Amino acid sequence: GAVVSQHPSWVICKSGTSVKIECRSLDFQATTMFWYRQFPKQSLMLMATSNEGSKATYEQGVEKDKFLINHASLTLSTLTVTSAHPEDSSFYICSSRLAGGPGELFFGEGSRLTVL
Amino acid sequence: RKEVEQDPGPFNVPEGATVAFNCTYSNSASQSFFWYRQDCRKEPKLLMSVYSSGNEDGRFTAQLNRASQYISLLIRDSKLSDSATYLCVVTSGTYKYIFGTGTRLKVLA
Repeated sequence: GAVVSQHPSWVICKSGTSVKIECRSLDFQATTMFWYRQFPKQSLMLMATSNEGSKATYEQGVEKDKFLINHASLTLSTLTVTSAHPEDSSFYICSSRLAGGPGELFFGEGSRLTVL
Repeated sequence: RKEVEQDPGPFNVPEGATVAFNCTYSNSASQSFFWYRQDCRKEPKLLMSVYSSGNEDGRFTAQLNRASQYISLLIRDSKLSDSATYLCVVTSGTYKYIFGTGTRLKVLA
């Protein structure tokens, strides 16, 4: 199957700082990347869908100015949590699929963000 | 009504037992269906896709009932290593992936 690599796995930051999470497709071209957030004992909630070379589509209730998504190449999408607050502490996961979907989603390893 | 619903569990079953989960979906135009497994603090991993004719992979059997709008997962001869959260995933007509809240399974020795 296709491989998606996400970095960092863990990050702890102070309130007010920004954190960047990278998601790379290692052996395929990810024209679309999905970004999810998961709080403890809850399901994955889609935050936004990014498409290479265009602006991301954000889900209702997700602040696009707070969660900056960039998908500048076919193998890299980034999520930047700006001015992080403790309530942003969560598990962030990216995923992609092979072209011609809706097939299987391939997930990154996830990034656990803790904001102090 | 949620687009995809699952019983959160937990289902506590002894080793060797057979356990079944259901997942209902509300959009009759849904196209693809999957079962994912998620271990604590890990990313989801595909367990199996669900086909209209039903499909089996070892101890795991998945079925789709379009008329009643649900999919099921049957696990036979449960192992301790089967303990995890099982996520139902359904795609909508817009190629959007909708996740259920997951069903927690605990297989007990």
